[in-house]
Amino acid sequence: QQQVKQSPQSLIVQKGGISIINCAYENTAFDYFPWYQQFPGKGPALLIAIRPDVSEKKEGRFTISFNKSAKQFSLHIMDSQPGDSATYFCAASMGSNYQLIWGAGTKLIIKP
Amino acid sequence: ETGVTQTPRHLVMGMTNKKSLKCEQHLGHNAMYWYKQSAKKPLELMFVYNFKEQTENNSVPSRFSPECPNSSHLFLHLHTLQPEDSALYLCASSQGDLGAEAFFGQGTRLTVV
Repeated sequence: QQQVKQSPQSLIVQKGGISIINCAYENTAFDYFPWYQQFPGKGPALLIAIRPDVSEKKEGRFTISFNKSAKQFSLHIMDSQPGDSATYFCAASMGSNYQLIWGAGTKLIIKP
Repeated sequence: ETGVTQTPRHLVMGMTNKKSLKCEQHLGHNAMYWYKQSAKKPLELMFVYNFKEQTENNSVPSRFSPECPNSSHLFLHLHTLQPEDSALYLCASSQGDLGAEAFFGQGTRLTVV
């Protein structure tokens, strides 16, 4: 019940296309859902995060869609660029006093 | 130096060696973490320190020994490791609690031979 399941494991998208990464969870007590981006040779960095009181959050080309009833959330990257090629991790926690539970990561490659 | 700095970046050690990983954060955060990152697996939280006190130890084998002398420095002492301990070890810090935004270092790529 503490797991966060992330898919796909890897994804190849043409430049200018839409990249979609999905995550699913079981624990309904989770109330904070961040996405982290990791480039080769670097540590993960927070990209965007959402709380369950909203169904969507957009920051530039990056959008989180949240479906509370389905217990799913997804990251959409619009107009994907080669510089977006990285590994993306979703995570969830039950609030600021609890540790983040991480997905296994998605390696995204944007083809020029 | 800014952010979270880890040294060394790469480490190869034999199973009988003793080595230490170092992490330093320049962000004024109160919490520091050690994570293990293995290929195609979720990040594994190993240890948490909050204001120099260890608050989490996620059933990590005793061959990994953390040390936090102050809120800016974190060490991970390694001894008699196994080949399956080979991984990227990430240090992170945050201001506040466990679920707050974590700032990661670049990691130490550890290979146990």
